[in-house]
Amino acid sequence: GQNIDQPTEMTATEGAIVQINCTYQTSGFNGLFWYQQHAGEAPTFLSYNVLDGLEEKGRFSSFLSRSKGYSYLLLKELQMKDSASYLCAVRDRDGANNLFFGTGTRLTVIP
Amino acid sequence: DAGVIQSPRHEVTEMGQEVTLRCKPISGHNSLFWYRQTMMRGLELLIYFNNNVPIDDSGMPEDRFSAKMPNASFSTLKIQPSEPRDSAVYFCASSFVIISGTGDQPQHFGDGTRLSIL
Repeated sequence: GQNIDQPTEMTATEGAIVQINCTYQTSGFNGLFWYQQHAGEAPTFLSYNVLDGLEEKGRFSSFLSRSKGYSYLLLKELQMKDSASYLCAVRDRDGANNLFFGTGTRLTVIP
Repeated sequence: DAGVIQSPRHEVTEMGQEVTLRCKPISGHNSLFWYRQTMMRGLELLIYFNNNVPIDDSGMPEDRFSAKMPNASFSTLKIQPSEPRDSAVYFCASSFVIISGTGDQPQHFGDGTRLSIL
C-alpha cells in the first residue's frame, strides 16, 4: 500500500522560516509534489522533485531524499497569507500520472 | 486561461437521491482525475482517465459511484443512491501527460463541489 506521513498542524511566526516534513512508503516512485490549499479552496501546485536535492522557487524550497523516503518544504520570510494546508503527494511509478496525497499539514502563521 | 471548471459548487440533497457532479478539464489536457476530500481521510483518488479512457477506478468506494468521460472536455461523477457518508468535497483535476508518468506535469484542480447528504 501507499503511506505518506506529514505532521497534522504547525504554527510559526510571521517573518520566520518553517520546515514541513513528509515521509513516504510507496510501491514505486516517480516524483513528489507539494501543493498549497487555503481553506475552502482548491489545491494549487507549489513544487516538484524527482531527483535528490533542493529545488528553490522564490520563498519556497523543496528537498528530496529518495533513499530515505523523505521530503521537506521550506518556507522563508513567512507571511500571514502563507497560512494554509500543505499537501505532500507522491506519483507512483506504476501509475500513468496519479498521485497519492498525505492528509496535509495545516500551517498557522501568527503575528 | 480558463482553469478546471466544476459544477455545482455546492449540493445539498437527501439520502437516496441521485447526485451528478460535472467537470470540464483544461483544454488540451489529456488526463482527468476525480478526488474526494474529507477531514479524516484527506484527499483520495477515486478514478482517473487518460485520453477519455478510465485507467484506474480502484479508489471508487462502491458500485453506487460511477464516472464517465464521453469526450475530452467533459466528465461526470455520479452517486446513486447517495448516503450521508458520501458528504465531502469532490475535486476534479486535469493534467497533460506526454509520456505516461514522467515529467513535472502538475495536476490542476477545480474549485470543488461541496456535497452534503442529509
